[in-house]
Amino acid sequence: EPEVTQTPSHQVTQMGQEVILRCVPISNHLYFYWYRQILGQKVEFLVSFYNNEISEKSEIFDDQFSVERPDGSNFTLKIRSTKLEDSAMYFCASSADRELTPLHFGNGTRLTVT
Amino acid sequence: AQKVTQAQTEISVVEKEDVTLDCVYETRDTTYYLFWYKQPPSGELVFLIRRNSFDEQNEISGRYSWNFQKSTSSFNFTITASQVVDSAVYFCALSDLQGGSEKLVFGKGTKLTVNP
Repeated sequence: EPEVTQTPSHQVTQMGQEVILRCVPISNHLYFYWYRQILGQKVEFLVSFYNNEISEKSEIFDDQFSVERPDGSNFTLKIRSTKLEDSAMYFCASSADRELTPLHFGNGTRLTVT
Repeated sequence: AQKVTQAQTEISVVEKEDVTLDCVYETRDTTYYLFWYKQPPSGELVFLIRRNSFDEQNEISGRYSWNFQKSTSSFNFTITASQVVDSAVYFCALSDLQGGSEKLVFGKGTKLTVNP
């Protein structure tokens, strides 16, 4: 069964540094998402992406965040200047259509900001 | 606004017991989707089920079953004859199809521990 692939599985960075989290969605999917889960808390929506542009973003997704689909297969989340509170598990997801049929998540990237 | 409530924070059972995880949701949408995901200690989110709001039939998949009741806005999940491998955090989620996008709103999760 096709999978959403995320790399790296764990990233450690210093406060103020830029990080790029990478995702390869399922190949025929058109809708892409990033979610975040702070340790021990619920999963929260960050941003959705369709037709090469952001469809919607949450309040969490401020100017420090950006997303890109640089080459038609990868989908990246960039955090420009990381803060301690950005430490979390970041999940990429994709779906084939607007009805989230179904929404497949990658295994996540655990980001630790020190 | 969409909301999902999982009132049980933690549940502990002994192997072979049946256990039900509760999920109550709030939405103004007439069409929506409900999901359950499993998050084992390794951290990934494993898709279990997606349910359309127009389909109130209960579903059974092996030891797992789901009870969807629109009248009470609930989508409960039952594990029959629980096993140690069922130990995980289970999240209920609701689609939010407004705002020009489609996303999931998650509950806070229920941590299930199955003891041998």
